[in-house]
Formats: sequence, C-alpha cells, structure tokens
Amino acid sequence: SAVISQKPSRDICQRGTSLTIQCQVDSQVTMMFWYRQQPGQSLTLIATANQGSEATYESGFVIDKFPISRPNLTFSTLTVSNMSPEDSSIYLCSVGERRASTDTQYFGPGTRLTVL
Amino acid sequence: DAKTTQPNSMESNEEEPVHLPCNHSTISGTDYIHWYRQLPSQGPEYVIHGLTSNVNNRMASLAIAEDRKSSTLILHRATLRDAAVYYCILREGLYNQGGKLIFGQGTELSVKP
Repeated sequence: SAVISQKPSRDICQRGTSLTIQCQVDSQVTMMFWYRQQPGQSLTLIATANQGSEATYESGFVIDKFPISRPNLTFSTLTVSNMSPEDSSIYLCSVGERRASTDTQYFGPGTRLTVL
Repeated sequence: DAKTTQPNSMESNEEEPVHLPCNHSTISGTDYIHWYRQLPSQGPEYVIHGLTSNVNNRMASLAIAEDRKSSTLILHRATLRDAAVYYCILREGLYNQGGKLIFGQGTELSVKP
C-alpha cells in the first residue's frame, strides 16, 4: 500500500495570502488527487493532478485559485491562493494503485487550514 | 457519477454485526460499488469494493442486490474502533481507467460498549 505524507499538517493563515501544501508518496503512482473537506462535511474532489500536464479540475474549482503542480510520479503540490475564511478546510491528497488488479485509493493525513 | 443514498447515522453495540445499507438506483453497468470509511481526524481508508458478486475481505463483507440497485456493507463484529463515517461510492470503471471517487454524505456509525 502507498504511504502518503503531507506538509504542513496544519496552518493558520491570514486572509489574502497563499499557502502551498505538499504531498509526497513513497512509491510511483499514476493518479494523484486533491480533495477538500470543509468542517463537518464530506470530501469534495478538487482536481486530478496529472504528471507532465495541467491538472484536471472539477466543476467549481479553477486553476487560478487552486494551482497544482505534479513534477514527477511521487510528488504534488496544491496552492490555495488569495485565501478567505471560506477556504478553511482540511485538504487531502490521495493516490490510486497502478495495478489493474488493485483498485484502491489511499489518502494522506490531510492539512488542516484555518484562514483568519 | 451516479448518486448513492445512505442513512445519516446508525448505532450498533460492540461485538454485534452491523449492516450498513446503500441505495444506488441509477447505477450503470460499468459502475463499481466502493466503500470507504473515515475514522475521526484521519483520511478515508478503503474498506471493500465489488461489481456484481458479493465480496468478502478481512475487514467486511459486501452484499450486492441482484439488480445492483442497492448494497449492504456488513461488519461481522463491531468494535469501538469501527466507529467512523462510512461512505458508499459508485465509481465508473477501474481506477486505471480514469474512474474518480466522488464522496456523498456517508453514514456515521457509532458503536456502544
């Protein structure tokens, strides 16, 4: 199974600033995903991070607000730009197994973001 | 992505079986039924998945209705550590075919000693 680490684990930021969240996986993976979990809510898929090409964003999420990088098969970053209190959430990185016989997604521990 | 309907919450007693229902009346032929759970303050973790036949693993069993419009996750003996939010998710195709996990609201399971 894939082991995922995220940095930072939590942060408190001021309105109007930006925060970059890092996701590191201990093995090469094809698919990486970024989710948001607002307080007391379920998870919402933000985008699929594609290696070597632009991320694929879900409806309601745009690149200017959530730019994503994926320089290689084990690392990705999500930036939350021009933050407002509504961006206070847990942001989770997720990866999928490469092998067709295994159809599992693994999730990182999340980054808890508070915007004041 | 097809939608699922789950009860908001359920209660169980420790060491008793738990049956968590999920309705997915608009499921298509290529949708796989996945179950994930999220323990407090953790990211979700995979529980089980299936397509048409019932499935068993060390964590749970998945019973799928013959018409595939509903399914039930079965925890054979609930423990206090099973207290979590359980998500029933339909995903089109396999992970390596581009299928995405789209989470619904899930069922919050509480387990009483």
